Amino acid sequence: GIQVEQSPPDLILQEGANSTLRCNFSDSVNNLQWFHQNPWGQLINLFYIPSGTKQNGRLSATTVATERYSLLYISSSQTTDSGVYFCAVLNFGNEKLTFGTGTRLTIIP
Amino acid sequence: DTGVSQDPRHKITKRGQNVTFRCDPISEHNRLYWYRQTLGQGPEFLTYFQNEAQLEKSRLLSDRFSAERPKGSFSTLEIQRTEQGDSAMYLCASSDEMVAGYTFGSGTRLTVV
Repeated sequence: GIQVEQSPPDLILQEGANSTLRCNFSDSVNNLQWFHQNPWGQLINLFYIPSGTKQNGRLSATTVATERYSLLYISSSQTTDSGVYFCAVLNFGNEKLTFGTGTRLTIIP
Repeated sequence: DTGVSQDPRHKITKRGQNVTFRCDPISEHNRLYWYRQTLGQGPEFLTYFQNEAQLEKSRLLSDRFSAERPKGSFSTLEIQRTEQGDSAMYLCASSDEMVAGYTFGSGTRLTVV
């Protein structure tokens, strides 16, 4: 099956810093989503981005489908950004999202 | 529309007991998915429904697990004869022809003691 790798596994930043999270995948995809899992376990959909670039406030994401990677940018980090960020992909002919291993982000006040 | 709802939020049960979880998807979504997440891992696919038909089941779904979506609306996931290894977060998601991706519920956290 498709492999999804995320880096870095852990990231600790001071409040106000910027960060870039990366997701590499091993096959062509027709869906890619970025999720934020908060401390209570809720998976919040950040972006549906099988290709191109999207922005939502302090967050933006870029997927380069031909090179099989996606990036999530977080600017001016806040403590509420802490949690685990997951990339998940759906490849052609498949009906189930495959999740990466996640990046645990900790923002220190 | 309040999104995907799951009930209960938490469940503590003794080993050997049966448990049932419920998921109410977004009303216009015809696809419903169950995932399981253990500590430190990403969610893993369990099973998937399109309307009332269960179209795919993971090998993770042993014979003790059964899922239903009788009228193509809400779904239930039952675990019989629970084991300590079943302790996990059980997540439900729904989607509609992949237009905007999956929406996940808050999950049911199961602890088997």
